[in-house]
Amino acid sequence: SYELTQPPSVSVSPGQTASITCSGDKLGDKYACWYQQRPGQSPLLVIYQDKKRPSGIPERFSGSNSANTATLTISGTQAMDEADYFCQAWDSGTVVFGGGTKLTVL
Amino acid sequence: QVQLVESGGGLVKPGGSLRLSCAASGFTFTNYYMSWIRQAPGKGLEWVSHISNRGSTTYYAESMQGRFTISRDNAKNSVYLQMNSLRAEDTAVYYCVRLVGANAQLDYWGQGTLVTVSS
Repeated sequence: SYELTQPPSVSVSPGQTASITCSGDKLGDKYACWYQQRPGQSPLLVIYQDKKRPSGIPERFSGSNSANTATLTISGTQAMDEADYFCQAWDSGTVVFGGGTKLTVL
Repeated sequence: QVQLVESGGGLVKPGGSLRLSCAASGFTFTNYYMSWIRQAPGKGLEWVSHISNRGSTTYYAESMQGRFTISRDNAKNSVYLQMNSLRAEDTAVYYCVRLVGANAQLDYWGQGTLVTVSS
């Protein structure tokens, strides 16, 4: 079965740029999505189709996807961005999630 | 605004059954696929199932195939998940999620309903 691999944790200082990676075999041939989940809340779509932002998502969130790696980049990271982030792709008609990355802003 | 409200969660014994419901509002229900995603306590997201907009096509994660059944009632703007032969490892928060289409993004999530399988 298809697998997506994320680092368990990433740390960033306020105002700096955070990058979270998601790796999978030929992931660049698929669309990647990213979801943010703050503690106690439901997941929120922040990036879809590799790099598109839904309405209401700040411009500091951006995405890319090439070869075997998709990347979520948060520029000018704020304290409110501290959350778990999950990547997601489709494979053979099924939804696949990465294991999640805990972003710490300190 | 889009709203997805789950209900039906609770405590059930191993081997038991439970039916989850999701009431949708704020959008044209028949234009969208719908999905169930679950999250075990302290764990990541796991796709459970999804159903096409007319209900003609369903998909299941391998571990749920044969035990879970997804369905929808477009007249009631609702989607359901019938869960049978429940196991301890099915304990999770179950989210009802709108799916823009096949192979598309999961764009709106409900607040979730907790299912606990324990004797």
